[in-house]
Amino acid sequence: TQLLEQSPQFLSIQEGENLTVYCNSSSVFSSLQWYRQEPGEGPVLLVTVVTGGEVKKLKRLTFQFGDARKDSSLHITAAQPGDTGLYLCVSIGNTGKLIFGQGTTLQVKP
Amino acid sequence: ETGVTQTPRHLVMGMTNKKSLKCEQHLGHNAMYWYKQSAKKPLELMFVYSLEERVENNSVPSRFSPECPNSSHLFLHLHTLQPEDSALYLCASSQDPRGPGGMGEQYFGPGTRLTVT
Repeated sequence: TQLLEQSPQFLSIQEGENLTVYCNSSSVFSSLQWYRQEPGEGPVLLVTVVTGGEVKKLKRLTFQFGDARKDSSLHITAAQPGDTGLYLCVSIGNTGKLIFGQGTTLQVKP
Repeated sequence: ETGVTQTPRHLVMGMTNKKSLKCEQHLGHNAMYWYKQSAKKPLELMFVYSLEERVENNSVPSRFSPECPNSSHLFLHLHTLQPEDSALYLCASSQDPRGPGGMGEQYFGPGTRLTVT
């Protein structure tokens, strides 16, 4: 069974701090997506990583796909209250089924 | 109108009622999804439709009945629900990840907040 292990599950930090969320697996994935969901809304796609070792930046968010395409990380620099939300990593298994991480709930306090 | 829309945004229903949730996508995608999101289990995939055919049903009780009349519309018919079915129901669409080059990038609607009394 292919799994995505996401950590930490909960994170509460002060505005201005940095943080990293991890998404790990023992399986190789062809691509991986990161989503953010704000309270009361649906998740929104942030990025898709495809190539091993790939790094993508979205303002203060940096996404990395591991060289072996088994893991990914999301790093936020100088977090702001607007970054508060649920962060999800999602990929596609060998059979074409979607595989979800458990999610990381981030709270950034002003 | 663009993206994925869902109606209603909020729904309160009794256990004996019958109601339907509606989802519409304007993105030209060929796959649509229903998810349940509650405090206990953050995101549960319920049903997947590809080209209007149901391709995935993740052990969902029969009191939830999906319908996909065409590639742009998806319904979730509800009947004799239980209080534990109260949750946020999310619809999403994508290009089918089973297709060539498909990465299954999900585009979600805003959800329907369902309360069963």
